[in-house]
This record gives sequence, C-alpha cells and structure tokens, in this order.
Amino acid sequence: NAGVMQNPRHLVRRRGQEARLRCSPMKGHSHVYWYRQLPEEGLKFMVYLQKENIIDESGMPKERFSAEFPKEGPSILRIQQVVRGDSAAYFCASSSGGAETQYFGPGTRLLVL
Amino acid sequence: GENVEQHPSTLSVQEGDSAVIKCTYSDSASNYFPWYKQELGKRPQLIIDIRSNVGEKKDQRIAVTLNKTAKHFSLHITETQPEDSAVYFCAASKPGGGNKLTFGTGTQLKVEL
Repeated sequence: NAGVMQNPRHLVRRRGQEARLRCSPMKGHSHVYWYRQLPEEGLKFMVYLQKENIIDESGMPKERFSAEFPKEGPSILRIQQVVRGDSAAYFCASSSGGAETQYFGPGTRLLVL
Repeated sequence: GENVEQHPSTLSVQEGDSAVIKCTYSDSASNYFPWYKQELGKRPQLIIDIRSNVGEKKDQRIAVTLNKTAKHFSLHITETQPEDSAVYFCAASKPGGGNKLTFGTGTQLKVEL
C-alpha cells in the first residue's frame, strides 16, 4: 500500500544546471499536484496535472519551469537553468479525483549552489 | 484569487491543555478546508478536513469548526501531547480547476511538558 513517492529526496545543483523531480502518485490516483515550500513558509501551488494533460499551471513560473504526467511513468517537474532562488522543498500530492483529498509525498529538497 | 490567513504563527501550550488555530479565507466560493500537520523535514499529513455543508467535524482529540458567513475556520486540539508538536497548515479550495489548495502560512505548535 505505497503512498506517494518522490525522488530524489535531496538534489544539489549548480546554477545553470537542470533539475528533474519525479513523482509517482498513489495507486489508483490519476491527479497530481506540485507545490513549492520555501524555507519557513507555507506551500504554494504550482501546477495540476491529469494523465497526459496539464489542467492548471497558474502557479508555475512561465520561464524555466515545466511539468508533465505521461501516460506511463511518473510525473516530472523540470527546472531549467536553476538559480539560487529555486532552492526549496518541492512536494507533489495525488488524489483520486479533482475534488478529493490530496495526499502528499515526502518531497524533494533542492539546493542550488 | 483565494487568500488564506492563519493565526497565530507560533503557539506554546502545556501538555494536557487545548490548542486553537484560526484561519480566514477570502473567496466565498471555497468549499473544502483541510488541515495538515508537518513535522520537521517530513511531508504534510492530513489530519482532518471539512466541507462547507457542515459546520463542525470531530475526530478523537481533533475538531474543526467552520463559519461560512464570517469565512473563517478553526482547528481545536484537546488534551495536547508532546507528539502534537509540529507545524500546522490550514488550506482552502473551491470547485472547478481541480481543487488546488491555497495554504495558510502555518502555526508552529509546541507542547511543553
């Protein structure tokens, strides 16, 4: 009965590199959400995806950030040309439907040097 | 968009006392209000949630109340224990667009022996 899985748990990148964060939803869940948590702050919505579709990306920066949830495999949040301000914990959550409870993964802590 | 304010930012109580955390929201269309507990370095975990068709919900030592007219909701923890020490986040969402959560800024609860 695995919950939401994320990897890697910790990721260190130098400025200008790319970061790829992966999220596998709970079994039976087809809705995935990405949130970002800056140190000492709350979680901020970034993007909501269903299989092969981006439903709402209103919280995601227009440049350098992209997300996908392919038919097969995990959801991926991609950050190109990372900057120090991208350092944060990135959490994904999954649900069985758009109005259902969201369950969070353990997060990926990104550190940009 | 939705805005959620949470108070207090820190709360210290003696073991066995009650703790109350309050949140207000701005969008009257919001209809789902979950509370998450986050221990240091861990994932947010859902502890209780309430939908706008009820005014109160209780689960053992935890209760949530909702006042739709005033647009505020509160978390009540009775008989607090040291393991209740964590950061608590309230959130709100509205129908449509997949239930993306808008979070409050968190309350650091410390239960002292």
